[in-house]
Amino acid sequence: KNEVEQSPQNLTAQEGEFITINCSYSVGISALHWLQQHPGGGIVSLFMLSSGKKKHGRLIATINIQEKHSSLHITASHPRDSAVYICAVRWVGSARQLTFGSGTQLTVLP
Amino acid sequence: KAGVTQTPRYLIKTRGQQVTLSCSPISGHRSVSWYQQTPGQGLQFLFEYFSETQRNKGNFPGRFSGRQFSNSRSEMNVSTLELGDSALYLCASSLEQGQDTQYFGPGTRLTVL
Repeated sequence: KNEVEQSPQNLTAQEGEFITINCSYSVGISALHWLQQHPGGGIVSLFMLSSGKKKHGRLIATINIQEKHSSLHITASHPRDSAVYICAVRWVGSARQLTFGSGTQLTVLP
Repeated sequence: KAGVTQTPRYLIKTRGQQVTLSCSPISGHRSVSWYQQTPGQGLQFLFEYFSETQRNKGNFPGRFSGRQFSNSRSEMNVSTLELGDSALYLCASSLEQGQDTQYFGPGTRLTVL
């Protein structure tokens, strides 16, 4: 079964800390997404990666295709970064559907 | 540009009833995907519509169906509701079928009693 695993499940950090959330997947993918979900349910797409690294503000996403692993980093974390971060992949040959990780609940304390 | 809108935002139904949820994509977007989110199973893909045709379907029973209209608005229908159908239902739109960046709506929270 094709699987997506995220770690950690829960993460509490102090404001200003550097944060890393990890995502591993079992077989080849054509794309990997990082999503952010705030309380209340709304989801925002942060990054879509097929190789290398992307940066947007304080957020950095990297992917290592050979190791089947991606990381989402948040620099200088802030309480407003508190949310659930979800990794999702599109498997090679699976047309359009996404398979999601279980999410990482991040809480940043002031 | 207005974002993706979903109606209703909250819904309470009883077992055995049916429900229809609506999604209006961002203007100009032609692809709409639907997802179910539950505490136990997380986010799961339901189906995708493009140009009024279902292009892809997830692993859900036939009680879950959908359609897309010529203006790209989409509806999903769940018949013979079960307690386990209680979930947040999210739709997401993108410009074209081949595009990966999806814009999510706020979701419809369905409670089945």
